[in-house]
Amino acid sequence: EVQLVESGGGLGQPGRSLRLSCAVSGITFGSYDISWFRQAPGKGLEWVGFIRSRPYGGAAQYAASVKDRFSISRDDSKSIAYLQMNSLKTEDTAVYYCARGGSYCRGGACYPDYWGQGTLVTVSS
Amino acid sequence: QSVVTQPPSASDTPGQTVTISCSGSSSNIGINYVYWFQQFPGTAPKLLIYRNNQRPSGVPARLTGSKSGTSASLAISGLRSEDEADYYCAAWDDSLSGWVFGGGTKVTVL
Repeated sequence: EVQLVESGGGLGQPGRSLRLSCAVSGITFGSYDISWFRQAPGKGLEWVGFIRSRPYGGAAQYAASVKDRFSISRDDSKSIAYLQMNSLKTEDTAVYYCARGGSYCRGGACYPDYWGQGTLVTVSS
Repeated sequence: QSVVTQPPSASDTPGQTVTISCSGSSSNIGINYVYWFQQFPGTAPKLLIYRNNQRPSGVPARLTGSKSGTSASLAISGLRSEDEADYYCAAWDDSLSGWVFGGGTKVTVL
């Protein structure tokens, strides 16, 4: 069974940092891209970014709203992906989800299929 | 406002058919696959439809996705109380180089 479990959420202060983790089981982690999404309270879904699997270069790509502040990395030996969130803003308050897949593919054919349960990040002073 | 547009709500009585529309543009739905997700309050999104009209294992056949031009739709036939949820459409946007989502449609079974 494919499982993704996010952790590391909580209260963060504006301008400070938080790191979220996404622990994955039930798949050969190193073979898959991992994406991050978020959902502000009472709002819709927003793409944050993705990291490709190492066989496909391991590069990450980000939404404009978080580029230069957030970074995604992965530790294939631990089957964990990370979302490093720096220079936090109040508008980053959201539930953050990781998902399997969802990197760019021609025609948008590579989609996020399995999602974690999410972890809440609240940015407030 | 979202790059992709959905009606905020839809409703009908049990057994009827609800259709949710999703309107995009030439940089997203017009050239890329459309996906649909179902979300219950406090839970993670669940993939319902992939690549316009394909259902993952376990998703009932009464849910059907379609796409035409820069629009897509999700039809839920034989509406049941357990279908009450939020539904989101999504597509990759080549101009934004990222995933774009509709604002979500809340389905109510009357």
